[in-house]
Amino acid sequence: QKEVEQDPGPLSVPEGAIVSLNCTYSNSAFQYFMWYRQYSRKGPELLMYTYSSGNKEDGRFTAQVDKSSKYISLFIRDSQPSDSATYLCAMITSGTYKYIFGTGTRLKVLA
Amino acid sequence: DTEVTQTPKHLVMGMTNKKSLKCEQHMGHRAMYWYKQKAKKPPELMFVYSYEKLSINESVPSRFSPECPNSSLLNLHLHALQPEDSALYLCASSQRLGLPQPQHFGDGTRLSIL
Repeated sequence: QKEVEQDPGPLSVPEGAIVSLNCTYSNSAFQYFMWYRQYSRKGPELLMYTYSSGNKEDGRFTAQVDKSSKYISLFIRDSQPSDSATYLCAMITSGTYKYIFGTGTRLKVLA
Repeated sequence: DTEVTQTPKHLVMGMTNKKSLKCEQHMGHRAMYWYKQKAKKPPELMFVYSYEKLSINESVPSRFSPECPNSSLLNLHLHALQPEDSALYLCASSQRLGLPQPQHFGDGTRLSIL
């Protein structure tokens, strides 16, 4: 079993839809959770960084962490074609250096 | 535009060539990283520098040789690469090693080995 599981997609949604992207993990020591967006031929861009269970909102993006279920989510409201990219979750334990990445979910928002 | 700058953006080289990839950041970060990313895969960690010293080598072949000349610069020297080394090479930085702070990535160098 992988430490972090993420559906690779592709996930296709119409413009304006609410998108839900998810990762599950097995290591309860993970404490810090990141979401990155990666456009084709570009590096990963940090979208959200969270620590505690609960929700964190930034514009159209909401990151949700449920440590009891070992489940994290990224919600995108009013999705736009420009949101079409691969979304990577990443997580890390305190005091370590190594991110554990999900495989990434390819998202396509159709105009 | 990212705050981590990588050059060149693209590089094509033969298996006998020697080339270098460069990375620069001016965020005052003291931890810098090299990653390798194959198509449709997540980044794989190669090297970690902390305060200009090599802290982590993730069992990378010796044909990859990292260098950190100062706190803002990170190089990756390449020699005698194999076709399977073709990939996107990403540089990242974070404030300090071991602190739970996010890494910031550059846009990478797309490397093709002939």
